This record gives sequence, C-alpha cells and structure tokens, in this order.
Amino acid sequence: AQKVTQAQTEISVVEKEDVTLDCVYETRDTTYYLFWYKQPPSGELVFLIRRNSFDEQNEISGRYSWNFQKSTSSFNFTITASQVVDSAVYFCALIGIRDDKIIFGKGTRLHILP
Amino acid sequence: EAGVAQSPRYKIIEKRQSVAFWCNPISGHATLYWYQQILGQGPKLLIQFQNNGVVDDSQLPKDRFSAERLKGVDSTLKIQPAKLEDSAVYLCASRFGTAYNSPLHFGNGTRLTVT
Repeated sequence: AQKVTQAQTEISVVEKEDVTLDCVYETRDTTYYLFWYKQPPSGELVFLIRRNSFDEQNEISGRYSWNFQKSTSSFNFTITASQVVDSAVYFCALIGIRDDKIIFGKGTRLHILP
Repeated sequence: EAGVAQSPRYKIIEKRQSVAFWCNPISGHATLYWYQQILGQGPKLLIQFQNNGVVDDSQLPKDRFSAERLKGVDSTLKIQPAKLEDSAVYLCASRFGTAYNSPLHFGNGTRLTVT
C-alpha cells in the first residue's frame, strides 16, 4: 500500500528563520513521483514541485529547496529566510505508476510570525 | 490560462438535504478529479474521470454521492441526503492527459457545512 506521512502537524517560526518540512513515503512501486503542494488560506492547492523516483538530485528554486533521499524514503522541503507569505498548509503527495492514484499526506500547517 | 473554476464557494445545509457542486476544469484537461478534504486532513480522492468516463470511484460513497461529467468537460458532484460527517471542503482538480508526472491543478474548493 502507498502511504505518505507528514509527522509535523504544525510549525511556527519567526520570519527570516529557515524551516524544514518533513515527508516520508511508502510504496512498492519502483517508478513513482513525489509532489509538494501549498494550500494558502484561499483554499486552492498550488503545485510547487515534482520529483521522479530515478532523480535524486536536490533542487533549489529561490528560497525553496527539496532534498530527496530514496535510502530513507524521504522528500523534505526547506524554506530559507521564511516570509509571512509562506504561511500555509503544505502537502506532500505520491503517485505510483501502477495505479495512477495520487496519495496526499495530512499536511503541515506552517505559521511564519512577523 | 484560466484555472479550475468551482462553485459555489460556500454552502450550508441541514442534514438530509441535498446539495450539488459544479466544476469547470482547465480547457483541454482530459482528466478530472473530485477530492474531499476534511479539516486537518489531506485531500481524499472521491472520483476520477478520464474525458466522460469514470476511471476510479472506489472511494465514493455511492449510496449518497454521485458525480457526472456528461460532455467530458465540466462536472457536477451531488450529495443526497447529506450527513453531518460530509462537512468538508470539496476540491476539483484537473490534469492534462494521462501522464503520471503531470501535476494536478486545483480549484478553490467548495466549503460544505452540514448542520
């Protein structure tokens, strides 16, 4: 069975601090994709990044970076120099190539305090 | 490009009443999803359409929930009769084609409160 675990339910940091959101996944598929989505108070889930199971290169996009480690089945997300606008719920998600079902974690609510 | 449109934005009904939600996906997106998001949880898939055909409805409570996508474009999700536990945000999402790595594009959702 596929599963995504986001152990951090809620995190609060002061603006300009760095923060890492953890994601651990389980799958029997050898080919799969991982995603991060952001859900601001408006409610819409906004796509941030995808990563396939064969590409373990870390990625950086501005203040955002992602660390994918197959050995620990983790796909962690770091925000550097956090800003108040980063306050949102962040979801990690997994899709396996065999059943085409995207499975979401329960999300981490991030509060950036001014 | 225009995003996924959903209406209404909010709905409050009493238990045992019926309710319908509407979704218009991004133009050209063949795959459409309905998700239920209960407060404090991640989205849970209810039904997936590929054009106007159902791909997966294994988690749809078919005794009270129904969905259709008659012309392969917009879709409606209906609940009849509603229960208190149906209070949630109902999210519609669409995806271009069937590529597994294509991200889903979500609408703003409909927040349903059942009293």
